Amino acid sequence: EPEVTQTPSHQVTQMGQEVILRCVPISNHLYFYWYRQILGQKVEFLVSFYNNEISEKSEIFDDQFSVERPDGSNFTLKIRSTKLEDSAMYFCASGIKVNQETQYFGPGTRLLVL
Amino acid sequence: DAKTTQPTSMDCAEGRAANLPCNHSTISGNEYVYWYRQIHSQGPQYIIHGLKNNETNEMASLIITEDRKSSTLILPHATLRDTAVYYCIVSLWGGKLIFGQGTELSVKP
Repeated sequence: EPEVTQTPSHQVTQMGQEVILRCVPISNHLYFYWYRQILGQKVEFLVSFYNNEISEKSEIFDDQFSVERPDGSNFTLKIRSTKLEDSAMYFCASGIKVNQETQYFGPGTRLLVL
Repeated sequence: DAKTTQPTSMDCAEGRAANLPCNHSTISGNEYVYWYRQIHSQGPQYIIHGLKNNETNEMASLIITEDRKSSTLILPHATLRDTAVYYCIVSLWGGKLIFGQGTELSVKP
């Protein structure tokens, strides 16, 4: 069964450093998402991406964040200058069509900012 | 965005049916009800979704009331591996999922 994969599984970085989180969505999916979950808190929507552009973003997704689909298979989330409060589990998800599609989530990348 | 209300926690005996309720009284006509679950800190796992009619798949059944203001997820024969946090989510325009706190289901031997 096709799965969403994410790399790395864990990332430790220093405050102020840039990080790139990578995702490989399910191959025939058209819609891509990033969510995050701070330890002990709810899963929060960050951004959705379709047709090579952002379709929606939350208030969390400020100028320090960017997303890209560089080669038709990978989907990346970049945090330009990490803060301590960016420490969280980051989940990528993909879906076939908007609004009534089912989103399938990856296993997540645990980011720790020191 | 329509919001949902779920009990914080529930227990269920292994082998018995687990019935997880959800209230979504402000749901609009074109919004679907989705159920996901999360085991430990793994990625949320899709379970089932529906609009008006009851739905069943290999994992669960979804019962939606006629007025669509509430629904129940049924796991027909709960196992220890079904211990997880279960999220009832009403779909929004654009496809984003808004997660609440969910129901922590403990399946006990």
